[in-house]
Amino acid sequence: QKEVEQDPGPLSVPEGAIVSLNCTYSNSAFQYFMWYRQYSRKGPELLMYTYSSGNKEDGRFTAQVDKSSKYISLFIRDSQPSDSATYLCAMPFYNQGGKLIFGQGTELSVKP
Amino acid sequence: DTAVSQTPKYLVTQMGNDKSIKCEQNLGHDTMYWYKQDSKKFLKIMFSYNNKELIINETVPNRFSPKSPDKAHLNLHINSLELGDSAVYFCASSQGNSATNEKLFFGSGTQLSVL
Repeated sequence: QKEVEQDPGPLSVPEGAIVSLNCTYSNSAFQYFMWYRQYSRKGPELLMYTYSSGNKEDGRFTAQVDKSSKYISLFIRDSQPSDSATYLCAMPFYNQGGKLIFGQGTELSVKP
Repeated sequence: DTAVSQTPKYLVTQMGNDKSIKCEQNLGHDTMYWYKQDSKKFLKIMFSYNNKELIINETVPNRFSPKSPDKAHLNLHINSLELGDSAVYFCASSQGNSATNEKLFFGSGTQLSVL
């Protein structure tokens, strides 16, 4: 079993839709949870960063963490064509110098 | 201004050759990384350096040798390239060396194709 599982998609939605992206993880030691966005032929960029269970909102993006289920989600409201990218969840190992464990990434396409 | 820049962007080479990828960051960060992204988009850490000191060395063939001349630069040298080395290699940097809140800044990647 991979430490972090993420459906690679692709996921195609119409503009304005609500998008739900998800990851599951197996290591209960993970404490911080990140979402990176990667546009085609670019490096990943940090989108959201959360600690502990609950929700965190930033504009049209909401990150949700459920530690009891080892399940994290990223919701995108009013999705735009500019949101078309690959979204990767990531979790750092504690005390291992910034070693991030990434999910495979979900490729999202928002159609105008 | 490019925060993390790596060169070259594309690298096409024959099996058995030796090649290098260079990376520079102008963010004043203390830690730099090399990550490898395979054809299925899996992104996996290879190495990290903190102030020129090797911190993380994952299970990577010793044909791969990182070198950090100063904390703003981290280069990756690959000897005797193999077909399986074909991937996108990303350089990244972060401010500190704490795993509790590492926010990585990535370069645009070097697409390596070994023929």
